[in-house]
Amino acid sequence: AQSVTQLDSQVPVFEEAPVELRCNYSSSVSVYLFWYVQYPNQGLQLLLKYLSGSTLVKGINGFEAEFNKSQTSFHLRKPSVHISDTAEYFCAVSDHRGSTLGRLYFGRGTQLTVWP
Amino acid sequence: DADVTQTPRNRITKTGKRIMLECSQTKGHDRMYWYRQDPGLGLRLIYYSFDVKDINKGEISDGYSVSRQAQAKFSLSLESAIPNQTALYFCATKDRADTDTQYFGPGTRLTVL
Repeated sequence: AQSVTQLDSQVPVFEEAPVELRCNYSSSVSVYLFWYVQYPNQGLQLLLKYLSGSTLVKGINGFEAEFNKSQTSFHLRKPSVHISDTAEYFCAVSDHRGSTLGRLYFGRGTQLTVWP
Repeated sequence: DADVTQTPRNRITKTGKRIMLECSQTKGHDRMYWYRQDPGLGLRLIYYSFDVKDINKGEISDGYSVSRQAQAKFSLSLESAIPNQTALYFCATKDRADTDTQYFGPGTRLTVL
């Protein structure tokens, strides 16, 4: 089975500062990795995903993530955040073998709060 | 119009009542999922369905049941609601040909008193 650990439950930062949201996973097989974002009072929206190929993945709104297989990590980064990035961010993993099942395992979430 | 809709968006009910949450999608996806979200716990899978005749339990199915009335509709029922079922519930869909991207509805906030 897969598991996902988001190392920080809350990350406060000032506007225009860089941010990194950390995610580690455990799995005995190859996985697909995802970051979803949840803005206040909304559903989840896909931010980016890693399936294969380049380990640096670019997503929407200037976010990017780097897959590190040796460290089983998939950290999310943005060089300069805006107040509108305030949201909860979820890291998720799915079993590569079971990719046709589409079952996702989510971390507990990281609340990013951007202050002016 | 939203591709994945959920009704109601908010619901308050009493312990012991039966309640149904509905999900509809216009994406034409064959796979549908129900999750619940609790603060600090992320999203946990309740049930999932690959098509109308294929329904499977997720990690926290106790106290819940589902019905896939059509490819586009997937309902979640609480037969006898209890306070610890107070949560935010999300429906999601996925196309079998897609690489695991799920599309989420806006959520239903359920409060059981």
